[in-house]
Amino acid sequence: DIVMTQSPDSLAVSLGERATINCKSSQSVLYGSSNKSSLAWYQQKPGQPPKLLIYWASTREFGAPDRFSGSGSGTDFTLTISSLQAEDVAVYYCQQYYSFPCTFGQGTKLEIK
Amino acid sequence: QVQLVQSGAEVKKPGASVKVSCKASGYTFTSYGITWVRQAPGQGLEWMGWISAYNGNTHYAQKLQGRVTMTTDTSTSTAYMELRSLRSDDTAVYYCARDRSGYKFCDHWGQGTQVTVSS
Repeated sequence: DIVMTQSPDSLAVSLGERATINCKSSQSVLYGSSNKSSLAWYQQKPGQPPKLLIYWASTREFGAPDRFSGSGSGTDFTLTISSLQAEDVAVYYCQQYYSFPCTFGQGTKLEIK
Repeated sequence: QVQLVQSGAEVKKPGASVKVSCKASGYTFTSYGITWVRQAPGQGLEWMGWISAYNGNTHYAQKLQGRVTMTTDTSTSTAYMELRSLRSDDTAVYYCARDRSGYKFCDHWGQGTQVTVSS
């Protein structure tokens, strides 16, 4: 199984500042000859199901605010929130969908400083 | 619009079985797969398995093999997840989610079903 490891486990950032969450996979999740990485990011707020933010490591889902961006390739990935808003307080998960089982990272809890 | 509506909360005794349903609407059910994910209290997301609504092919998490069965009913656009021999550590919120047209990331999620296992 591919192990997904996120860092940090928790993060406190001031409103308007940048937040950065990292995700590392135990093996490459680069998909075929497309040069795309099979990596998604989700946001989960308390009492709600997860919400897709980013797929193919850097493609923003329709409706996701443009302050959210994803980067990285192969085994190392980053989710960046360019200017933190109060509504971004949540737990963020990365997931690889390169192969079954489609494992998740352990989550990163983002709070306001 | 795409909607996944799950069945209601369940309370089960250890050793019993539970079957959670996930009714899809707003899209062609057989063109997508369904993933099941669970979340124990205060914990992260755990991928349980995936089923193709097109042909019923399944992939299960190794730790659940032999206890879980995922099925679909294309006549009602409903997916089901049955978990048997329940233990206290199966207590969790169970989610169904639709994949994105052959790629196994989840673009729409059900509201979740609380399953509590307690004697």
